[in-house]
Amino acid sequence: KAGVTQTPRYLIKTRGQQVTLSCSPISGHRSVSWYQQTPGQGLQFLFEYFSETQRNKGNFPGRFSGRQFSNSRSEMNVSTLELGDSALYLCASSSGRQGMREQFFGPGTRLTVL
Amino acid sequence: TQLLEQSPQFLSIQEGENLTVYCNSSSVFSSLQWYRQEPGEGPVLLVTVVTGGEVKKLKRLTFQFGDARKDSSLHITAAQPGDTGLYLCAATSNRDDKIIFGKGTRLHILP
Repeated sequence: KAGVTQTPRYLIKTRGQQVTLSCSPISGHRSVSWYQQTPGQGLQFLFEYFSETQRNKGNFPGRFSGRQFSNSRSEMNVSTLELGDSALYLCASSSGRQGMREQFFGPGTRLTVL
Repeated sequence: TQLLEQSPQFLSIQEGENLTVYCNSSSVFSSLQWYRQEPGEGPVLLVTVVTGGEVKKLKRLTFQFGDARKDSSLHITAAQPGDTGLYLCAATSNRDDKIIFGKGTRLHILP
């Protein structure tokens, strides 16, 4: 099976702009989660989508949003970028079945905000 | 807030030595995962432990889940440079079903 893919791998934006990141999960996986990883805060949960519905949400401002399509592919959007949004954004897929919460991660998108 | 505390934060040892890293919490979890992340890549799942007192082995890596399911340890025997990376533990919060991660142990094995 192909792994989780994320595009783009690297992105440079300026403050105030918006960005959309894309994630394709492992075939058959219906759950997609997004994380922000920074040296100071570690891995922080953004949100989880399951069957096109947001199942859970972390403690991030409303500038961070996401969606999931019928083929389980997911996008994450960040509007009005701030310098502090510079981070590695990781997408992870899982089967989403009850109790099966192992995460299979993509390589991430490195976002730099100037 | 449920937290996973990992220790030590950083560890640098010589090839061939043994080491143990820890993942502790005051909360009880139904399962716990360990991941390894290398620079420029996403974390890779190593193991899931479910039962209190469970011990799982993956070649030179031994994972243990505490009897009370609040803590876990990872022991590496005869460390090799290929073991270098960030080791993360993760668990599902039984309050809100969110997955929480520890901040990780950054391990560096010197050849």
